[in-house]
Amino acid sequence: EAGVAQSPRYKIIEKRQSVAFWCNPISGHATLYWYQQILGQGPKLLIQFQNNGVVDDSQLPKDRFSAERLKGVDSTLKIQPAKLEDSAVYLCASSNTQGAWTGELFFGEGSRLTVL
Amino acid sequence: DQQVKQNSPSLSVQEGRISILNCDYTNSMFDYFLWYKKYPAEGPTFLISISSIKDKNEDGRFTVFLNKSAKHLSLHIVPSQPGDSAVYFCAASGRGTSGSRLTFGEGTQLTVNP
Repeated sequence: EAGVAQSPRYKIIEKRQSVAFWCNPISGHATLYWYQQILGQGPKLLIQFQNNGVVDDSQLPKDRFSAERLKGVDSTLKIQPAKLEDSAVYLCASSNTQGAWTGELFFGEGSRLTVL
Repeated sequence: DQQVKQNSPSLSVQEGRISILNCDYTNSMFDYFLWYKKYPAEGPTFLISISSIKDKNEDGRFTVFLNKSAKHLSLHIVPSQPGDSAVYFCAASGRGTSGSRLTFGEGTQLTVNP
């Protein structure tokens, strides 16, 4: 079974530029998450999708961050304009919410963003 | 507001000995707790979980203990192996409006020395 795919793995941009990250979840997983992990901290949820609807975006800085999951499969996360403090690893995860929820999320390898 | 806290940034143990990783939480609405393991340049992977109706869950060399009154959980690895060297994240979730959102601790870097 293929895992969660993310691209690009690494991205370096200057502040005020824009960047987009792509995620392809595990086939059949209805729930998709974007997490931000700043160095030395644990992952923090930015947005959660159930199919193509947003379940939780309470921690997404909506003035600069946006995300979409148009067909309920792939997702993109965009930052525009980027700030220095956005330097982090952006982790995409998916989960199978059929039956009882186990808490097990399947993470991709992440996209490391450096903002100069 | 750090609702899940791992106070030890790092832990070093000898191969074959026990590793004990600790985690504290403040939100009494949390009712499901998990441990994730992360190797460098990889995403976190699920390790073990425990529901608040239990106080212990065991899976091979890994055991998680939950003390609800103290809002504390711990992960025991016995015996520790060099391949266990990784960052371990404690995570918690609660039913209700937050749905299945996981709140993670800062992580503990475990090093198992041969």
